[in-house]
Amino acid sequence: DIQMTQSPSTLSASVGDRVAITCRASQSISTWLAWYQQKPGKAPKLLIQKASSLESGVPSRFSGSGSGTEFTLTISSLQPDDFATYYCQQYNSYLYTFGQGTKLEIK
Amino acid sequence: QVQLVQSGAEVKKPGASVKVSCKASGYMFSDYGFSWVRQAPGQGLEWVGWITGYNGNTNYAQKFQGRVTMTMDTSTSTVYMELRSLRSDDTAVYYCARDNMVATYAFDYWGQGTLVTVSS
Repeated sequence: DIQMTQSPSTLSASVGDRVAITCRASQSISTWLAWYQQKPGKAPKLLIQKASSLESGVPSRFSGSGSGTEFTLTISSLQPDDFATYYCQQYNSYLYTFGQGTKLEIK
Repeated sequence: QVQLVQSGAEVKKPGASVKVSCKASGYMFSDYGFSWVRQAPGQGLEWVGWITGYNGNTNYAQKFQGRVTMTMDTSTSTVYMELRSLRSDDTAVYYCARDNMVATYAFDYWGQGTLVTVSS
């Protein structure tokens, strides 16, 4: 099975900062990668699919890039609503796996 | 609007089974699949398996093979996940999610989650 490694596990940042979260796959997954945001007690929310396609209604400060084994979620200017946990998720050969998550905290 | 509504919280004893339902509305049921994802308290997301809305084909994460069964009822647009031989480490919130398994392989709508507690 493909393993997904996210980094960092925790990220402390301030409103207005530009931040990046990385996800590495143990083997190539082309661009079959999605990013989710989850707030406490809530279901995850899809932000980006196919590595770089922004889901409808998601603010343009979120962007995704990468292909193969290395992917990045970038938030260009953090807003108070963005402090949450972020997960990457891959698809390959009829199976899915999630990264372990990155908790984005207020500095 | 697309909605996924799951059944309510469950408390089960070790060794028992649980069956969680997820009723879909607001779109053509057969055009998408469903994935089930669980989250243990304070932990990350874990994919359990998927079922297609088209023909009921399934695929499960290796960890759950032999213990999980996913089924569907097209007449009520409802999918089900049954997990057997429950252990304390199966305590988690179980989510169903609409799986766009043709175009994006991402989960674009989620149910509200069902807490399954396994305790003696």
